[in-house]
Amino acid sequence: QKEVEQNSGPLSVPEGAIASLNCTYSDRGSQSFFWYRQYSGKSPELIMFIYSNGDKEDGRFTAQLNKASQYVSLLIRDSQPSDSATYLCAGAGGSRLTFGEGTQLTVNP
Amino acid sequence: DAMVIQNPRYQVTQFGKPVTLSCSQTLNHNVMYWYQQKSSQAPKLLFHYYDKDFNNEADTPDNFQSRRPNTSFCFLDIRSPGLGDAAMYLCATSRDLLAAENIQYFGAGTRLSVL
Repeated sequence: QKEVEQNSGPLSVPEGAIASLNCTYSDRGSQSFFWYRQYSGKSPELIMFIYSNGDKEDGRFTAQLNKASQYVSLLIRDSQPSDSATYLCAGAGGSRLTFGEGTQLTVNP
Repeated sequence: DAMVIQNPRYQVTQFGKPVTLSCSQTLNHNVMYWYQQKSSQAPKLLFHYYDKDFNNEADTPDNFQSRRPNTSFCFLDIRSPGLGDAAMYLCATSRDLLAAENIQYFGAGTRLSVL
C-alpha cells in the first residue's frame, strides 16, 4: 500500500465548476498535509497546507482534513482553465514529506 | 524574486560522464532537499541536509552524492549517469524539519538528459 494515494485521474471539469481532489494516507503519524500544484515541465508550487481536522479556506481553494478517516481533499471553486495542472498531495511525518503521484486536472473552457 | 534557484535549468550529459547540479537559496532555511522526479511520477526524495547533517534515503543509489558547503548552497553530484537517471531534479528548502513547519519551497528544477 502506498503511503499517500490520490484519486486516479485525469479529472476533467468545465470552467466555473467545482473540482474535487482526494487523497488518503496510511501513516497515522503524519501530522500535516500539503497540496502542491505542478504545471507540466515546472516545479511544484505550494497551494495550501492543513494540520487540523476540518476545513481551511483560501480564496477559491478549500482543504479538508479528516484524521479519523485518514483523508485529505482539495476543492477548487469556480475552476479556471489556468487551474489545469497536476495536483500533488503530500503528508509530513517526522522529517520528510511523502508525495502522492498526483491527479491531473483539466478545466475546459 | 526567486528564492530557491537551480542551475542550470537544462543539462545534457553523456552516459558515464560526471555531472553536478546546483541549488542556492536566499531564505536562510536550515533544510535543503534533493528530489528526483520522472515523468508522471511523484517527486522521490534522494537526501536532505539539516544544516550540515546529511541524511541519505535508504534507496538512493551510491551514484548520487551531495555537498552543502554553506547555508545557501547545495550541490547534487551524479558520478556516472546512466540512461535511467534522466529526470527532473528538484531542490527544495524548508525552515525546519518539524512536520507542522515543513513547508517546502521548490526551485524551478533542472531537467537532466543523458545521451
